[in-house]
Amino acid sequence: KAGVTQTPRYLIKTRGQQVTLSCSPISGHRSVSWYQQTPGQGLQFLFEYFSETQRNKGNFPGRFSGRQFSNSRSEMNVSTLELGDSALYLCASRDSGGGKETQYFGPGTRLLVL
Amino acid sequence: TQLLEQSPQFLSIQEGENLTVYCNSSSVFSSLQWYRQEPGEGPVLLVTVVTGGEVKKLKRLTFQFGDARKDSSLHITAAQPGDTGLYLCAGHAGGTSYGKLTFGQGTILTVHP
Repeated sequence: KAGVTQTPRYLIKTRGQQVTLSCSPISGHRSVSWYQQTPGQGLQFLFEYFSETQRNKGNFPGRFSGRQFSNSRSEMNVSTLELGDSALYLCASRDSGGGKETQYFGPGTRLLVL
Repeated sequence: TQLLEQSPQFLSIQEGENLTVYCNSSSVFSSLQWYRQEPGEGPVLLVTVVTGGEVKKLKRLTFQFGDARKDSSLHITAAQPGDTGLYLCAGHAGGTSYGKLTFGQGTILTVHP
């Protein structure tokens, strides 16, 4: 099976702009989670989607939002970008059946906000 | 808030040495994963442990989940330069969705030839 894919891999934006990142999970996986990774804070949970519904949300401001489509692909959006939003954004998918405890990560989208 | 304390943060050793990375919490975790991450890439799963006291081996890597499911360790025997990378522990706290992982801060391992 193909792994988790994320697009784009790299992105440069300026403060105040908005950005949309895309994630395609492993075929058959219905759960998609998003994480932000920074040198100072490490990996932090943003939100999880399952069957087009948000199941969990981390402690991030409302500028961070997401959605999931019927084919399980997911997008996350960040509005009114701030310098501190520069990070590696990681998407992970998991099977809801056997092995449901395990998440598989994509390569990430590196976002730089200038 | 469930926290995972990972230690040490940095480890620099010579090829052939053994090492252990620790992951500790005051909370109980229903499962715990270890990942390895290369610069600019996503974490790659090494192992998942779900049973207290469980020990899993992956070639030269040995993973242990504490009896109380509050701690875990990763032991590498005869480290090689190819083992260099960021090692992360991550767990699902009891009562939370499996889609929400809590991560340790990571251990940056450098193995010198």
